[in-house]
Amino acid sequence: DAMVIQNPRYQVTQFGKPVTLSCSQTLNHNVMYWYQQKSSQAPKLLFHYYDKDFNNEADTPDNFQSRRPNTSFCFLDIRSPGLGDAAMYLCATSRVTGTGDNEQYFGPGTRLTVT
Amino acid sequence: GQNIDQPTEMTATEGAIVQINCTYQTSGFNGLFWYQQHAGEAPTFLSYNVLDGLEEKGRFSSFLSRSKGYSYLLLKELQMKDSATYLCAERDSNYQLIWGAGTKLIIKP
Repeated sequence: DAMVIQNPRYQVTQFGKPVTLSCSQTLNHNVMYWYQQKSSQAPKLLFHYYDKDFNNEADTPDNFQSRRPNTSFCFLDIRSPGLGDAAMYLCATSRVTGTGDNEQYFGPGTRLTVT
Repeated sequence: GQNIDQPTEMTATEGAIVQINCTYQTSGFNGLFWYQQHAGEAPTFLSYNVLDGLEEKGRFSSFLSRSKGYSYLLLKELQMKDSATYLCAERDSNYQLIWGAGTKLIIKP
């Protein structure tokens, strides 16, 4: 089945130790998103790729970086995780064509713990 | 910025009907989505409205009034598995989703 896959599902890292979260999709969607979601809060968009074009949200800290080496894969790099970065990180994809609903399909998320 | 307002929490009884309301700011409106999110899981798509009126999908229906900046999600014949957080999200003219904080729905037997 076509899907959005995130690895790992649970990640523990130490304060200040770089960590990379990965996302892959078999939907061949042109847009990929990274969201941060903390408990009882709405998902917060960090950045997205429209094809190869990278779009950073204005309030996304520099500590967060992303790479999209090809259509299928997208990575979230946290260069120096702080305790406040502990959250669920959600990857989503959509096919934006200018018509239709273009719903976003979410992966299962990676829950990041910072110790 | 644009604000999405929805109640924080609602309680309903198994077998009953519940309506979850959502209001949004109309500037740049390009569609309204409802997602369901169970605890510890990712959001899953429920419905999409871009024109006024009611969209029905089995036990779930979603309504939109663009002039009022208002939508609701209607859940019928509630089941215990419907206990979840329901997220309202407005899509803007740049195809980005602006999310509400979600409504936690508690179903009681």
